[in-house]
Amino acid sequence: DAGVIQSPRHEVTEMGQEVTLRCKPISGHNSLFWYRQTMMRGLELLIYFNNNVPIDDSGMPEDRFSAKMPNASFSTLKIQPSEPRDSAVYFCASSHSGGRNTIYFGEGSWLTVV
Amino acid sequence: GENVEQHPSTLSVQEGDSAVIKCTYSDSASNYFPWYKQELGKGPQLIIDIRSNVGEKKDQRIAVTLNKTAKHFSLHITETQPEDSAVYFCAASMRGAGSYQLTFGKGTKLSVIP
Repeated sequence: DAGVIQSPRHEVTEMGQEVTLRCKPISGHNSLFWYRQTMMRGLELLIYFNNNVPIDDSGMPEDRFSAKMPNASFSTLKIQPSEPRDSAVYFCASSHSGGRNTIYFGEGSWLTVV
Repeated sequence: GENVEQHPSTLSVQEGDSAVIKCTYSDSASNYFPWYKQELGKGPQLIIDIRSNVGEKKDQRIAVTLNKTAKHFSLHITETQPEDSAVYFCAASMRGAGSYQLTFGKGTKLSVIP
């Protein structure tokens, strides 16, 4: 299995620019998660999709952040406009049926906003 | 919501010695406790998990123990090797219909000194 695939792996962008992170979950998984990892706050859940529907977006920091899942094999996390405090590693993860089963993480997208 | 505390934040051991990482959780309804290992530049990977109906689980050099009464669980690594050096995260969640939230500890950076 190819695992969870994320792109880009690294992104450096200027403050104010739009950033789009992409994720392809493991085939057959119906749950998708976006996490953010920073030294200060650790791993934080941003949003959870089940069967392509956003179930919980309470972790999304503010309106600058948005996420979509147009189909079972693709999701995006968009930040517009980006700010330096958004610099972090963003992980996409997937599982079969939410938290009942193992959650598999991608390799992450390392975002730096200057 | 659930709160997971993890200690220590850093741990250095000599190769061949044992390492123990401890976590406590707050929600008595939590019944699933996975441990993830994160190597530098990679996403977290599940190494072992335990459910609340089990007190201990072993997998080669790794073991996890759970005390539901005290609401704490621990990861034990015996005969440590340099490749065990990584950041380890504990997590807790409810495994049941509709559950999905996995709450992570802040992580423990383990260094195994050759």
